[in-house]
Amino acid sequence: GAGVSQSPSNKVTEKGKDVELRCDPISGHTALYWYRQSLGQGLEFLIYFQGNSAPDKSGLPSDRFSAERTGGSVSTLTIQRTQQEDSAVYLCASRPPGQPNEKLFFGSGTQLSVL
Amino acid sequence: GESVGLHLPTLSVQEGDNSIINCAYSNSASDYFIWYKQESGKGPQFIIDIRSNMDKRQGQRVTVLLNKTVKHLSLQIAATQPGDSAVYFCAETPDTGRRALTFGSGTRLQVQP
Repeated sequence: GAGVSQSPSNKVTEKGKDVELRCDPISGHTALYWYRQSLGQGLEFLIYFQGNSAPDKSGLPSDRFSAERTGGSVSTLTIQRTQQEDSAVYLCASRPPGQPNEKLFFGSGTQLSVL
Repeated sequence: GESVGLHLPTLSVQEGDNSIINCAYSNSASDYFIWYKQESGKGPQFIIDIRSNMDKRQGQRVTVLLNKTVKHLSLQIAATQPGDSAVYFCAETPDTGRRALTFGSGTRLQVQP
C-alpha cells in the first residue's frame, strides 16, 4: 500500500537559496508532522497539522522556516535563505484519526544539503 | 539513501543472540515511551510503546522495560536477525495529548552473521 511520500529524496542547494520540500501523507490521515534529523542526532520536531486546526509551529527554529498544508492533504515545508546548518534529513509523518499522537507513519525523508 | 548518523553509539551482536538497547531520559514527568527503528534510507518505524503505569511490555521478539526510579528504558530483541540491523530511537512525552515526542539520539545495532 502507499505510504508517506516525500519529494525530492535529495536536494542540494546553495547557501541563500530558498527550497521547498513536499510531503504526501497517507490517504485519510488527518495529522501531519514535520521533523528534522541532523547527522548523528535524534529527531527534532518542527511543525504539526491536525485537520483544520491552527498548526503547532512551536518547533520551527527560525522565521526562515514555514509550512503549509493544502486541502488537508499535501504539505510543503519551505526554507528561505538556506544556511549550511539547515543541512539535514527532513522527515514527514502522518497519523490516522483516532490513533495516539505517537504512532506515526514516516516517509523516507528529504536529504537537504546546503553548500 | 543516506545513513542517519555516523557517530552514534553502536551495539554489535551475533546473529541469534539477544540484544539490549538502553535509553536514559531526564524528564520525570514523562508518561509515555516509544521505540522506533530506522533502517538506512528510510523513515523511523514504530516498534513498541509503554506507558508509565507499566514496567514491562512484550511484543513479537521485542520487550520494553521501564524503570521509572532511575529513568531508564530498554529494548530487548530476542534471537537478533540481520534484518534487525538499524538505528533504534527511544522517544518520550509527558502527555500523550501533546503533539511532539522528544527523541533520543539513537543507537546503531549491527548484527554480525
